Amino acid sequence: QVTLRESGPALVKPTQTLTLTCTFSGFSLSTSGMCVSWIRQPPGKALEWLALIDWDDDKYYSTSLKTRLTISKDTSKNQVVLTMTNMDPVDTATYYCARSNLVVPAGFDPWGQGTLVTVSS
Amino acid sequence: EIVLTQSPGTLSLSPGERATLSCRASQSVSSSYLAWYQQNPGQAPRLLIYGASSRATGIPDRFSGSGSGTDFTLTISRLEPEDFAVYYCQQYGSSPPTWTFGQGTKVEIK
Repeated sequence: QVTLRESGPALVKPTQTLTLTCTFSGFSLSTSGMCVSWIRQPPGKALEWLALIDWDDDKYYSTSLKTRLTISKDTSKNQVVLTMTNMDPVDTATYYCARSNLVVPAGFDPWGQGTLVTVSS
Repeated sequence: EIVLTQSPGTLSLSPGERATLSCRASQSVSSSYLAWYQQNPGQAPRLLIYGASSRATGIPDRFSGSGSGTDFTLTISRLEPEDFAVYYCQQYGSSPPTWTFGQGTKVEIK
């Protein structure tokens, strides 16, 4: 059974750096094709893809946010970490991680339950 | 970057009715990289359809996807109470590699 779980602070102040961790089980990020993405959703709004890291340690970022994002992985711990710098109230959202496969594309599946991050002073 | 536009924004239907949701891309999308998700309030999205028309594991056959190029459709043949939710389409573009979601269609009880 594949599961993912997001963890991190529920509240950050403006200008601070957010660090989120996705801990997963049921698959290995060293397996060819495997990827983990971060996706966010502001309250009442649509989903927005942020970043993806693949089995070969290639990293891809949202064009609009790439200067603020860093994604990394620790294969031995089955974890993927996302950092987002210079947080602003508009970054308040539920942040999800999800698995995908670049070799056999089949969407993002499954997703973690999400973690709500509020940006406020 | 490819923009996905979903219509309508809200669809008001009764249980048992047929729902037809549209997803239009600003430029041609490979069918292999078009997916649909369902999201219920307070829950994470769930993959319904990938490759434009393939149902994900455990998805009932009342859900079907179709389309190619710039126009894609999600059809729910007979709405069940648990189908009233928000639906998102999503695509993968390779130049540069990015993943894009539509703005969503809410299917509500009439």
